[in-house]
Amino acid sequence: DVKVTQSSRYLVKRTGEKVFLECVQDMDHENMFWYRQDPGLGLRLIYFSYDVKMKEKGDIPEGYSVSREKKERFSLILESASTNQTSMYLCASRSGTGPYNEQFFGPGTRLTVL
Amino acid sequence: AQKVTQAQTEISVVEKEDVTLDCVYETRDTTYYLFWYKQPPSGELVFLIRRNSFDEQNEISGRYSWNFQKSTSSFNFTITASQVVDSAVYFCALSEAGGNNRLAFGKGNQVVVIP
Repeated sequence: DVKVTQSSRYLVKRTGEKVFLECVQDMDHENMFWYRQDPGLGLRLIYFSYDVKMKEKGDIPEGYSVSREKKERFSLILESASTNQTSMYLCASRSGTGPYNEQFFGPGTRLTVL
Repeated sequence: AQKVTQAQTEISVVEKEDVTLDCVYETRDTTYYLFWYKQPPSGELVFLIRRNSFDEQNEISGRYSWNFQKSTSSFNFTITASQVVDSAVYFCALSEAGGNNRLAFGKGNQVVVIP
């Protein structure tokens, strides 16, 4: 079974802090994704990565950056956390670049920025 | 740009009732893929089904069934004889073959099954 793990289930940070959200997958998937989920807005794509060291902006990249130094790990970075970044963050991975492949999701990190 | 609409935000049903979740999509591609995911209270989205645009056969898996109609751009999901364990948020999503490999999600349907 594909397993996608995220470093924390719950995280509380202060405004202005630098925040790292880590995601690891164990199935050698090429593609990895970061989404945020907010009530009434569904899932919105922040960044995705086709392969190591490759990244592309999603629909809402402002205020975020990412890092993919190893195939299994995809990190989301909030350079200076703000209260409007309080949200549920979901990581996903997918085999290959085919749009027909399903994405496998981690359990999510609920981030609160005070 | 691809777009997915799930009109009903929250649906409450009494256990053993059937519930149908509507999904309407928009795309200019002739080849595309439709998905349904379930998000239980634990938070992790679970893949339920995928359909490609050339396969309009309906599918049944246990108490779950899906009705894909290209003529109305819809991919509806029915849970028959609902159970409390079906309480979750359900997402419909679309991926275009000629696009950027992104998955566009609808806003989700919160299903509450009352015992």
